Amino acid sequence: AQTVTQSQPEMSVQEAETVTLSCTYDTSESDYYLFWYKQPPSRQMILVIRQEAYKQQNATENRFSVNFQKAAKSFSLKISDSQLGDAAMYFCAYRRFALGGSEKLVFGKGTKLTVNP
Amino acid sequence: GAVVSQHPSWVICKSGTSVKIECRSLDFQATTMFWYRQFPKQSLMLMATSNEGSKATYEQGVEKDKFLINHASLTLSTLTVTSAHPEDSSFYICSVGRTGTSGVKGQFFGPGTRLTVL
Repeated sequence: AQTVTQSQPEMSVQEAETVTLSCTYDTSESDYYLFWYKQPPSRQMILVIRQEAYKQQNATENRFSVNFQKAAKSFSLKISDSQLGDAAMYFCAYRRFALGGSEKLVFGKGTKLTVNP
Repeated sequence: GAVVSQHPSWVICKSGTSVKIECRSLDFQATTMFWYRQFPKQSLMLMATSNEGSKATYEQGVEKDKFLINHASLTLSTLTVTSAHPEDSSFYICSVGRTGTSGVKGQFFGPGTRLTVL
């Protein structure tokens, strides 16, 4: 079974600075998807970024980027120019490669990010 | 992404009563929806996978007679907590898995329902 580990229960960053959240995973599959989700105090889960394992290029979405190291099974999230609105729980998630909408996600335990003004 | 709604957003009920939570996919026909439970400061725990027109698939340890799931249409799945007890108090979230022409888009989540059982 696949597992996802987020080793940092809490992180903090100064506004406008850069922070990196760590995620490692364990799988025997070669193709899969990885995601970062954000859960602000409203508790609405928001998809931040998606990475396909067969793509070597790291995904980026504006101030959010990932460092995907397939051999090391590492998938870290970098937040640049941190803003107060980035404060949230961040969850790393794994999904098998199969097409269709029926594949479930495997979540890590989350990292609570605090942004200091 | 996908727009997913849940109703109600917050419900308080007495112990022993049943509560129904609705999850709607507003802009996407979802053959599969997922139901999660989340305790404070914890991660999401998958309870079951809801399949349109067929029985839900429950995760190990989840009582199917306690948490009834009905997915009667491509836009609506319901979770009924039967004979609720205080230990069922939690945050319940549904999601829709979405794919597109470029592949898997991810799961998109409803805003959640906070259940408090007195």
